[in-house]
Amino acid sequence: DSGVTQTPKHLITATGQRVTLRCSPRSGDLSVYWYQQSLDQGLQFLIQYYNGEERAKGNILERFSAQQFPDLHSELNLSSLELGDSALYFCASSLTSGGNEQYFGPGTRLTVT
Amino acid sequence: ELKVEQNPLFLSMQEGKNYTIYCNYSTTSDRLYWYRQDPGKSLESLFVLLSNGAVKQEGRLMASLDTKARLSTLHITAAVHDLSATYFCAVDVVYNNNDMRFGAGTRLTVKP
Repeated sequence: DSGVTQTPKHLITATGQRVTLRCSPRSGDLSVYWYQQSLDQGLQFLIQYYNGEERAKGNILERFSAQQFPDLHSELNLSSLELGDSALYFCASSLTSGGNEQYFGPGTRLTVT
Repeated sequence: ELKVEQNPLFLSMQEGKNYTIYCNYSTTSDRLYWYRQDPGKSLESLFVLLSNGAVKQEGRLMASLDTKARLSTLHITAAVHDLSATYFCAVDVVYNNNDMRFGAGTRLTVKP
């Protein structure tokens, strides 16, 4: 158990809908990272927040957005969902920003039908 | 564009044998990470390499980083079945706004 929690574990929704994935980092960690893992795209870094501020951006679509709240939990919002958004979404946390070991949560499996 | 290439992508080996997984990347970086993923599971951090010449070892796994060659290796010594998993390397491109790029992963199967 990494200490990172993600909810929900599974999510099934229809195209065009909007969903919110939630992540709670390990106690004491200030950075949260979001990743998408799919069979065709592999593992992709989406976005990183550090102590409430956006720190780095990867291949995140404009339909996706994220935020980190004062209590350091983070949410990833996915809107106008398409079939191709079906994937495993991981959250990871680390103590600071960059150069630290990242601890991954169990993931949320999103299925868009 | 930053590329991270791992090879081989698939590796089947006998227990007791040694092998090396290679991770090449295409831009300047001095931060490289190795992760392990078991089927249907999350990622587990194995090593964080932060400087040229860094070498870290844990059990039968040893990772090294050569930033001049833009190459990291994950060496497996005397493989055992429990090492069967997919191994990913990732590069943290500090000079590109900390963009993290992952390799495609190496699926390792260790046979008795």
